Amino acid sequence: KAGVTQTPRYLIKTRGQQVTLSCSPISGHRSVSWYQQTPGQGLQFLFEYFSETQRNKGNFPGRFSGRQFSNSRSEMNVSTLELGDSALYLCASSPQGGLLEQYFGPGTRLTVT
Amino acid sequence: QQQVKQSPQSLIVQKGGISIINCAYENTAFDYFPWYQQFPGKGPALLIAIRPDVSEKKEGRFTISFNKSAKQFSLHIMDSQPGDSATYFCAASKVNSNYQLIWGAGTKLIIKP
Repeated sequence: KAGVTQTPRYLIKTRGQQVTLSCSPISGHRSVSWYQQTPGQGLQFLFEYFSETQRNKGNFPGRFSGRQFSNSRSEMNVSTLELGDSALYLCASSPQGGLLEQYFGPGTRLTVT
Repeated sequence: QQQVKQSPQSLIVQKGGISIINCAYENTAFDYFPWYQQFPGKGPALLIAIRPDVSEKKEGRFTISFNKSAKQFSLHIMDSQPGDSATYFCAASKVNSNYQLIWGAGTKLIIKP
């Protein structure tokens, strides 16, 4: 089976712009979670989608949003980018959601200048 | 109550030695403690996980030790190899709940040949 894929892998944006990141989960997986990874901060949970519904949400401002399509592919959008949004954004898929079987993609490295 | 504190931040070990990474948690409701391994350019991958009904779990050269009373758990890598050089993350959460994984900040491990 193909693993979790994320596009693009690298992105450079300017403050104030918006960005959309894409994640394709492992075939058959219905849950997609998004994380922000910054040096020294570990992974911060953004949100989880299951069968096109947001099931869980972390403590991020409303500028961060997401959605999931009927084929389980997911997109994450960040509006009005700030310098502090520079990070590696990781997507993880799992068959039924939950904690026990998360498979991560390689991430999208976002740099905001 | 939601933090997971991981130490050390970085670690250099000679080939063949034992690598030890420690984590401490605060929330006594947590009952799932995984360790993830992340190589550069890749997403984290589940290495080994433990539930609090056992004090130790071993998989090959990797062992988790768990001390429920101290609210601490640690990863031991025996006979450390250069291929083990990676960043290691501990995490904690409560299974069968709406909790998400709470992640440690990571430990960058370098195994010197």
